[in-house]
Amino acid sequence: DVVMTQSPLSLPVTLGQPASISCRSSQSLVHFNGDTYLSWFHQRPGQSPRRLIYRVSNRDSGVPDRFSGSGSGTDFTLKISRVEAEDVGVYYCMQYTHWPRTFGQGTKVEIK
Amino acid sequence: EVQLLESGGGLVQPGGSLRLSCAASGFAFSKYDMGWVRQPPGKGLEWVSLIYTAAIGPTYVDSVRGRFTVSRDNFKDTLYLEMNSLRTEDTAIYYCAKGGGLDSWGQGTLVTVTS
Repeated sequence: DVVMTQSPLSLPVTLGQPASISCRSSQSLVHFNGDTYLSWFHQRPGQSPRRLIYRVSNRDSGVPDRFSGSGSGTDFTLKISRVEAEDVGVYYCMQYTHWPRTFGQGTKVEIK
Repeated sequence: EVQLLESGGGLVQPGGSLRLSCAASGFAFSKYDMGWVRQPPGKGLEWVSLIYTAAIGPTYVDSVRGRFTVSRDNFKDTLYLEMNSLRTEDTAIYYCAKGGGLDSWGQGTLVTVTS
């Protein structure tokens, strides 16, 4: 199985400051069709996960533009340009290039 | 608006069975692959299963293969997860999600396997 490794696992952030989460995969996530299937999800306490980003860098509808995704191959990053209070929670990356699909361990974002 | 409503969770003894349902609305259910993801209490997400639009070729994570069966009824816009030979480690919130990329999620249903 493809192992997804996120860092850091805990991220205290200051409101209005940027934040960055890394996600590394144990194998390349480039599909044989040339696309890279890597998504990011946000889960607030007590809620279901919500997808933010798909195929590395595409924001889902309604996702604020302070969220951005980047990367290629085995190395990916989620950036929040200016953290807001509603951004707290756990962020997960997930690969859907290979079977079975696999998630990272999650990164808990909290306000300092 | 996409809505996914899971049901069927509950308390079950090890070795028992449960059938989860996920009622979909707000989109053309038959045109989308559908998946199940679970989350043990206080832990991270684990992808469980995916079924394609025409109910062909369902796939499973190794830990549930042979015990869980995913199916769908495209006339009733409903996704199912039949869970047999349940183990304590299957205790989790079970979410259904739309599409291979899991673009929308339900609120989840809690399955507790305990003696």
